[in-house]
Amino acid sequence: TQLLEQSPQFLSIQEGENLTVYCNSSSVFSSLQWYRQEPGEGPVLLVTVVTGGEVKKLKRLTFQFGDARKDSSLHITAAQPGDTGLYLCAGALGNAGNNRKLIWGLGTSLAVNP
Amino acid sequence: GAVVSQHPSRVICKSGTSVKIECRSLDFQATTMFWYRQFPKKSLMLMATSNEGSKATYEQGVEKDKFLINHASLTLSTLTVTSAHPEDSSFYICSARDPAPGTSLYNEQFFGPGTRLTVL
Repeated sequence: TQLLEQSPQFLSIQEGENLTVYCNSSSVFSSLQWYRQEPGEGPVLLVTVVTGGEVKKLKRLTFQFGDARKDSSLHITAAQPGDTGLYLCAGALGNAGNNRKLIWGLGTSLAVNP
Repeated sequence: GAVVSQHPSRVICKSGTSVKIECRSLDFQATTMFWYRQFPKKSLMLMATSNEGSKATYEQGVEKDKFLINHASLTLSTLTVTSAHPEDSSFYICSARDPAPGTSLYNEQFFGPGTRLTVL
């Protein structure tokens, strides 16, 4: 069974704090994506990382893909209440291609308190 | 671009009835759509992959006779929960890949807003 372990599952922090969410696997992914989901809505794609060691920034969010393409992290700087939501990582196995299902992490439920 | 809609957004039904949920790609044609089930504050559980013009591929443990999927056109896939029971109550979400060059290059999926099903 392919697994994508995501941690922590729950996180409650104060506004202004920094946080990091991790996704780890023993499998190598051709790409890995991060999504954010708000209650009662579908997930929204934040970023896709493809190259080992790749770092992408989206405002206060920094995404990193591990050198071996087995793990990824999401770091949020100076979290704000608007960052509250469920963060999901998802990896695509095998060779790059557009006909593969994604392997999903368990999700990190983040609450940023004002 | 890459907008996916779902209908209805919320449905309440009696036990034993069937419920149909529609998933539409609004501005692109989707040869592949996915149906997920999600519990509160939990991750997505893939139920099946819906392929236009062919039978859906169900994940292990998902009853294909209970969760009927039809992908009759390039913009519409439907999920029918047959003889629904309270344990089928959940948030059902569909997603699709946009085949436009560079959009789903790395298997990115675009999600509908979800359907909250409550079976009494």
